[in-house]
Amino acid sequence: TAGITQAPTSQILAAGRSMTLRCTQDMRHNAMYWYRQDLGLGLRLIHYSNTAGTTGKGEVPDGYSVSRANTDDFPLTLASAVPSQTSVYFCASSDSIVPNYGYTFGSGTRLTVV
Amino acid sequence: GQSIDQPTEMTATEGAIVQINCTYQTSGFNGLFWYQQHAGEAPTFLSYNVLDGLEEKGRFSSFLSRSKGYSYLLLKELQMKDSASYLCAVTDSNYQLIWGAGTKLIIKP
Repeated sequence: TAGITQAPTSQILAAGRSMTLRCTQDMRHNAMYWYRQDLGLGLRLIHYSNTAGTTGKGEVPDGYSVSRANTDDFPLTLASAVPSQTSVYFCASSDSIVPNYGYTFGSGTRLTVV
Repeated sequence: GQSIDQPTEMTATEGAIVQINCTYQTSGFNGLFWYQQHAGEAPTFLSYNVLDGLEEKGRFSSFLSRSKGYSYLLLKELQMKDSASYLCAVTDSNYQLIWGAGTKLIIKP
């Protein structure tokens, strides 16, 4: 089934440790996004990539980094995790930066930083 | 600043009709989306409005008034499986999606 695969599904991480959340899509979508979702708040954009080789900062980029070496993969790295990064992380993609057909979302990674 | 406002929670009865409102203030407008999100799952696309008016898709309809910065999602013949959060999102002038916090819809038998 075409779509987005995120890994891991969930993780408990000690504060100060680093971690990479993986995201792979098989739809050949140009644009990819990382969001975090916290209770009572809307989805907040962390980083985005309009096409392979380019990335940009979203609303809440501090403490996170991304890379886009190819069309399919868009990993998110936490260099030194802090408890405020406890959240559900969603990777999403769209066929273009004008998302006429909406975004396709991965199933999410539930991260707890202790 | 940019903002999307929608009610936090709504309750409706199975078989009835419910309207979920969304108001927005954004820098530019390039379309409005509605997504459905069941608890513990990813959001899934429901509708997209870029012009004023009503778009109907089965039991779900979405309305947009750009001059009023207003949209609503209308759900008819409610089923228990419609219990979910409904997210409103607006594409701004930079083609980034600005998301509302979502409306949790509770369906009672």
